[in-house]
Amino acid sequence: AQSVTQLDSHVSVSEGTPVLLRCNYSSSYSPSLFWYVQHPNKGLQLLLKYTSAATLVKGINGFEAEFKKSETSFHLTKPSAHMSDAAEYFCVVSDPTSNTGKLIFGQGTTLQVKP
Amino acid sequence: GAGVSQSPSNKVTEKGKDVELRCDPISGHTALYWYRQSLGQGLEFLIYFQGNSAPDKSGLPSDRFSAERTGGSVSTLTIQRTQQEDSAVYLCASSLFGISTDTQYFGPGTRLTVL
Repeated sequence: AQSVTQLDSHVSVSEGTPVLLRCNYSSSYSPSLFWYVQHPNKGLQLLLKYTSAATLVKGINGFEAEFKKSETSFHLTKPSAHMSDAAEYFCVVSDPTSNTGKLIFGQGTTLQVKP
Repeated sequence: GAGVSQSPSNKVTEKGKDVELRCDPISGHTALYWYRQSLGQGLEFLIYFQGNSAPDKSGLPSDRFSAERTGGSVSTLTIQRTQQEDSAVYLCASSLFGISTDTQYFGPGTRLTVL
């Protein structure tokens, strides 16, 4: 069975400092992995996705993530946090052997950015 | 172009009443998904449509929940005899093919409150 674990429920950083949101996955096969962001009272927006091409994936707004099979990790990073990055972030997995493409979500990490 | 839309944005109902939630996917997307976001359970998959068929209904929590899709487009999620535990945000998403590498595009959600 597929699953994802987001290791931190809440992360607080100062504006201009690096962001690291951690995600581990469990999968019997090479999964598709996604990071979605949800701003308050807004819908989910795709930040980036990994689908077995390059292991370092670049997304929108300066975010990137690295797929590490040996560590079963897909951590999200950004070199310099901006106030507008404050939101809920979800690490998501999709089972490549499934015929449905349904997504399995982590519990989410709330990112707080302090001025 | 137009994204995924959902209506109503908010719905307040009394326990025991039936409710219908509507989703308009992106034009041309064959796959449509319903998810539920609640404080206790996080984001969870409910049902998947490919065209007008629902090959995966495994996430529907009880037989009070049903959904249909017509014309390969609009979908309606119906909850009968609502209970307080049904209170949540119901999210709809669509994707081109319904495969694991697809990007799913989410609507803004319908916030359901059962009094």
